[in-house]
Amino acid sequence: SQKIEQNSEALNIQEGKTATLTCNYTNYSPAYLQWYRQDPGRGPVFLLLIRENEKEKRKERLKVTFDTTLKQSLFHITASQPADSATYLCALDTFMDTGRRALTFGSGTRLQVQP
Amino acid sequence: DAGVTQSPTHLIKTRGQQVTLRCSPKSGHDTVSWYQQALGQGPQFIFQYYEEEERQRGNFPDRFSGHQFPNYSSELNVNALLLGDSALYLCASSAGGLLAFFGQGTRLTVV
Repeated sequence: SQKIEQNSEALNIQEGKTATLTCNYTNYSPAYLQWYRQDPGRGPVFLLLIRENEKEKRKERLKVTFDTTLKQSLFHITASQPADSATYLCALDTFMDTGRRALTFGSGTRLQVQP
Repeated sequence: DAGVTQSPTHLIKTRGQQVTLRCSPKSGHDTVSWYQQALGQGPQFIFQYYEEEERQRGNFPDRFSGHQFPNYSSELNVNALLLGDSALYLCASSAGGLLAFFGQGTRLTVV
């Protein structure tokens, strides 16, 4: 069966360090993979999208890698700040019959950055 | 641009009741998807509406139904509420492109 796995345990790191979050998937062939940030009680906010033919994508302090052979994406936040504390969701982007797309989410990893 | 707006923000219902949640998509977006997010879990896809029709459905019972209006806004209806329906309900809109924008969600509590 199709499965998306993110580390369910919270990740606690010290301010200034690099946070690395993992997303593994099975039985999917996503065209795109997306990362979202979600704060408590709020909707997810889009951060980065990476295509299946891209190995790496960067945006400011964020970096995403995508290995379709390993079926894994890594999400890095460099020089982390307490304001980066949130839950980070991995989402696989799959085309439906209509040509429109739907997102399938992992359960998310909570990041806590300690000052 | 107000982005995606959902109403109400919070709602308490009794088991067996029916509920309607509303979503106004981001300007220029014609596709609306609904998700259910239980506490500690990722959002689960309920269904997607495009051109006023349900185009794709996730693994949710028929108690969950929806509608899309000509102005692209959408409603999610849940009948015969169960305690397990308590969750954050998220609406996401898109224009068939790469990015989906989420609303702030409606927190539904069934007692």
